[in-house]
Amino acid sequence: SQTIHQWPATLVQPVGSPLSLECTVEGTSNPNLYWYRQAAGRGLQLLFYSVGIGQISSEVPQNLSASRPQDRQFILSSKKLLLSDSGFYLCAWSGNRNNQETQYFGPGTRLLVL
Amino acid sequence: RKEVEQDPGPFNVPEGATVAFNCTYSNSASQSFFWYRQDCRKEPKLLMSVYSSGNEDGRFTAQLNRASQYISLLIRDSKLSDSATYLCVVRSGGFKTIFGAGTRLFVKA
Repeated sequence: SQTIHQWPATLVQPVGSPLSLECTVEGTSNPNLYWYRQAAGRGLQLLFYSVGIGQISSEVPQNLSASRPQDRQFILSSKKLLLSDSGFYLCAWSGNRNNQETQYFGPGTRLLVL
Repeated sequence: RKEVEQDPGPFNVPEGATVAFNCTYSNSASQSFFWYRQDCRKEPKLLMSVYSSGNEDGRFTAQLNRASQYISLLIRDSKLSDSATYLCVVRSGGFKTIFGAGTRLFVKA
């Protein structure tokens, strides 16, 4: 069966510090991968998605970036965090047979920028 | 107008009650629809997909009305464990996935 991991689970970072969140998927190959952010009391916002190694699409302009160095690894980064980057960051995967497939989420990383 | 709108609630219902949530979407070209459940401080988990003909999974029934651009979720015989936030999800062409802000449900003994 497929599993998706994220770490760290929680993170407290000062403003201006760098960020690296990691997501890995097991039990599937060539998945579509997604990064979402959920601000407190709000819906999920799609940040990035990837259909393959090195292929990243950004949905919203921001000071975050994403990379996919391996088939089942997706990384979210920032060079300098802002207070507004605080939130719940969720990685998701879906099959790649078509772009309508269900997305499954990892446990998330709760980020607090102070 | 938001692309996907849900009544934020909260809905407070007693055990055994029937409760219904609605969700409206603005993009008439939307192709796939889902309901997810999210427990407090946890990741969303798929509850059910929503098919054009409507579909049922145990106590849960989902309906889609394309003409009026809304989907619904009906929960019968509510359990304490149904307490959660229910997210309406709409996918258009490509990878554009829009999540509603969610409807909070509290089921009380």
